[in-house]
Amino acid sequence: DTGVSQNPRHKITKRGQNVTFRCDPISEHNRLYWYRQTLGQGPEFLTYFQNEAQLEKSRLLSDRFSAERPKGSFSTLEIQRTEQGDSAMYLCASSPPGTSGGTQYFGPGTRLLVL
Amino acid sequence: GQNIDQPTEMTATEGAIVQINCTYQTSGFNGLFWYQQHAGEAPTFLSYNVLDGLEEKGRFSSFLSRSKGYSYLLLKELQMKDSASYLCAVTYNQGGKLIFGQGTELSVKP
Repeated sequence: DTGVSQNPRHKITKRGQNVTFRCDPISEHNRLYWYRQTLGQGPEFLTYFQNEAQLEKSRLLSDRFSAERPKGSFSTLEIQRTEQGDSAMYLCASSPPGTSGGTQYFGPGTRLLVL
Repeated sequence: GQNIDQPTEMTATEGAIVQINCTYQTSGFNGLFWYQQHAGEAPTFLSYNVLDGLEEKGRFSSFLSRSKGYSYLLLKELQMKDSASYLCAVTYNQGGKLIFGQGTELSVKP
């Protein structure tokens, strides 16, 4: 399977704990995006990377969120001191090189539940 | 802001045609995408419009009017499996991030 993969698929945690999610993009794609989606809403942009450089981060993203893509391949998204409001589906997408990034292809997502 | 507006829900009959509209702010517009999302699954790419006009791909077509800030997704010969959420998303200012509407939940009835 050469699509975008995400792990874990589901995560249940207690409020205040830290969680980390991983995304493996399509191999030839240099751009990687993170989005968050809550029930009944469209995905909301969090951050994106071109190769290993983090080019944009949403102003809505609190300091508890951090993302890395150290070698320009896989990426991790960490949430520190989780809150119940962090419960959502976290989606990763990747796109090929291009002036506007090209079409984004999404992974299956990580569903987070904070108790 | 860059509000992307689309109807919350629509209902149609199997075998019929349905049109899902999307409006957006035109300033800085770059391109428009349509995605399909079944419940509990990731969005899957349907179409991309950057120039005015109609793009046809099998039973699905997408239209764009850049001057009006308007797009629609046309689904023909509806099937039960087309029941899903349809997401309109826009990129602005040569940037890569997608700005999504809230999605249109389409129910196809027998």
